[in-house]
Amino acid sequence: GNSVTQMEGPVTLSEEAFLTINCTYTATGYPSLFWYVQYPGEGLQLLLKATKADDKGSNKGFEATYRKETTSFHLEKGSVQVSDSAVYFCALRRSNTGNQFYFGTGTSLTVIP
Amino acid sequence: DGGITQSPKYLFRKEGQNVTLSCEQNLNHDAMYWYRQDPGQGLRLIYYSQIVNDFQKGDIAEGYSVSREKKESFPLTVTSAQKNPTAFYLCASTERDRKIQPQHFGDGTRLSIL
Repeated sequence: GNSVTQMEGPVTLSEEAFLTINCTYTATGYPSLFWYVQYPGEGLQLLLKATKADDKGSNKGFEATYRKETTSFHLEKGSVQVSDSAVYFCALRRSNTGNQFYFGTGTSLTVIP
Repeated sequence: DGGITQSPKYLFRKEGQNVTLSCEQNLNHDAMYWYRQDPGQGLRLIYYSQIVNDFQKGDIAEGYSVSREKKESFPLTVTSAQKNPTAFYLCASTERDRKIQPQHFGDGTRLSIL
């Protein structure tokens, strides 16, 4: 079946620390992969995406590379800020038919000054 | 700007009452979705629709109903059969049959029991 596994949180970092949130997936074929961010009391916002193997998605200093050999899409940021405190979700969209998305359980990040 | 509008932002339900959550999008998307999010939890799919006048049950459809009479609108009714409706409800949409396209989300409706 299709599934997404994220590292469990919560994660607490000091400002300017390096961030990695692990995400691995199980899917047939060649899915598209996404990272979303959710701030308290809000909906999910698309952070970045990658649609084929070896693609790197990037936005606001965050990066993730689509690794088909390890079925991974780890989120990284070199220097986190307090404003990055949020919940991060990894997701996949399997194919051009079916139109279903599969989400990880989310990883809560708190950045302290 | 195009987007998804959910209303109301907060909603309270009395015992035995049905309530309807509104979701409207002006992105011209065919596919629309409803998710439930409990505190500290991920998203669970309630219903989704790939085209007008058609919808499918998700993982937790019991106690909920939907309609899709217009492309722009996908309202969710939480019926009295849903015994634990307190949660944050998210509506989403996307282009149908294009796997490179992400879902776009509304800002959510928080439902509580009186």
